[in-house]
Amino acid sequence: NAGVTQTPKFQVLKTGQSMTLQCAQDMNHNSMYWYRQDPGMGLRLIYYSASEGTTDKGEVPNGYNVSRLNKREFSLRLESAAPSQTSVYFCASSGTSGSIGEQFFGPGTRLTVL
Amino acid sequence: GENVEQHPSTLSVQEGDSAVIKCTYSDSASNYFPWYKQELGKGPQLIIDIRSNVGEKKDQRIAVTLNKTAKHFSLHITETQPEDSAVYFCAAISANYGGSQGNLIFGKGTKLSVKP
Repeated sequence: NAGVTQTPKFQVLKTGQSMTLQCAQDMNHNSMYWYRQDPGMGLRLIYYSASEGTTDKGEVPNGYNVSRLNKREFSLRLESAAPSQTSVYFCASSGTSGSIGEQFFGPGTRLTVL
Repeated sequence: GENVEQHPSTLSVQEGDSAVIKCTYSDSASNYFPWYKQELGKGPQLIIDIRSNVGEKKDQRIAVTLNKTAKHFSLHITETQPEDSAVYFCAAISANYGGSQGNLIFGKGTKLSVKP
């Protein structure tokens, strides 16, 4: 099993450009998450999907959109990138239903917006 | 909403010594407290977790204690080794996001360095 995979690993954008970060999991998990990690800030939840077909905002959703394409895949889109979105982005998945449990993280995407 | 404070932000210990990282949380309804380890260039990985119906949990050299009255929980690593060097994050559930299930709010992390 590959676990949680993310593409790309690195990306440099100019202000105003758009891009989509891809995430896939092969653990048949129901829930998927997108976090951003900034120095000294820990991990902050952007969006999550509790199950296929549903998505909800997390702590810092502004400037992002998400799509739960199917049970395996959850993408994060930046429509008009800003320097404040320079960060490391992590996708995670969790299989627990009914109560929160272990989240499995991908290796991250390092995004720089110039 | 939930707020998680983590201390210290950096911790340096000698190999073989113990390391303790402490977290406090604000929401008395939180009932799940995981600890994640993040090695350089990788995603976080769960190392231990505790639910509010127990006060302590151990797994080899790692233990977590929970004091629900004081709303704090701690990670204890004994007999530290150089491979324990990493950033450690605590987390607690927030009911702000995630409906009835809630979602995790993370502390800001502790960079642990174990000197050989």
